[in-house]
Amino acid sequence: AQSVTQLDSQVPVFEEAPVELRCNYSSSVSVYLFWYVQYPNQGLQLLLKYLSGSTLVKGINGFEAEFNKSQTSFHLRKPSVHISDTAEYFCAVSANTGNQFYFGTGTSLTVIP
Amino acid sequence: DAGVTQSPTHLIKTRGQHVTLRCSPISGHKSVSWYQQVLGQGPQFIFQYYEKEERGRGNFPDRFSARQFPNYSSELNVNALLLGDSALYLCASSWAGREDTQYFGPGTRLTVL
Repeated sequence: AQSVTQLDSQVPVFEEAPVELRCNYSSSVSVYLFWYVQYPNQGLQLLLKYLSGSTLVKGINGFEAEFNKSQTSFHLRKPSVHISDTAEYFCAVSANTGNQFYFGTGTSLTVIP
Repeated sequence: DAGVTQSPTHLIKTRGQHVTLRCSPISGHKSVSWYQQVLGQGPQFIFQYYEKEERGRGNFPDRFSARQFPNYSSELNVNALLLGDSALYLCASSWAGREDTQYFGPGTRLTVL
């Protein structure tokens, strides 16, 4: 089975500052990795995904993430955050042989004006 | 194109009752997955259906059941509701269920009193 650990439950950051949200995963097989964002009272929206190929993945809204197999990490970054980025962010993993998504417990990003 | 739709948006039930939640996938998607998201936690996998057959099941009791119809829509049924079943129930659809991005609906908020 796979598992995901999001190391920070809450991350406050000032507007226009850079941010990194950390995600580590555990798996005995090759995996696919995802970041989703959830705004209050809404479902999850895909930010970006890693399936194969380049380890640096660019997503929507200026976010990017880097897959590091040796460190089993998939950290999410944005060089300059905006107030509208305030939301809950979830890292997810699925095995490349399976169909079940495993989510982390989420990181609440709060952008301070 | 319409996204994943779920009904109802909110639901209040009492302990011991039964509930049915409904999901319509994105047009052309043949796989539907169900997740339970308890407040403050990440989504937990309940079921996945592909071409009307169960492909995966998470660690949930037999009180939870689901099915997929010929038009690929799906129902999640929960019997003998417990207070702990209160959660946001999310439906996600994808083309074929493997390595594919899952697109989430807005969810159904179930409150059990």
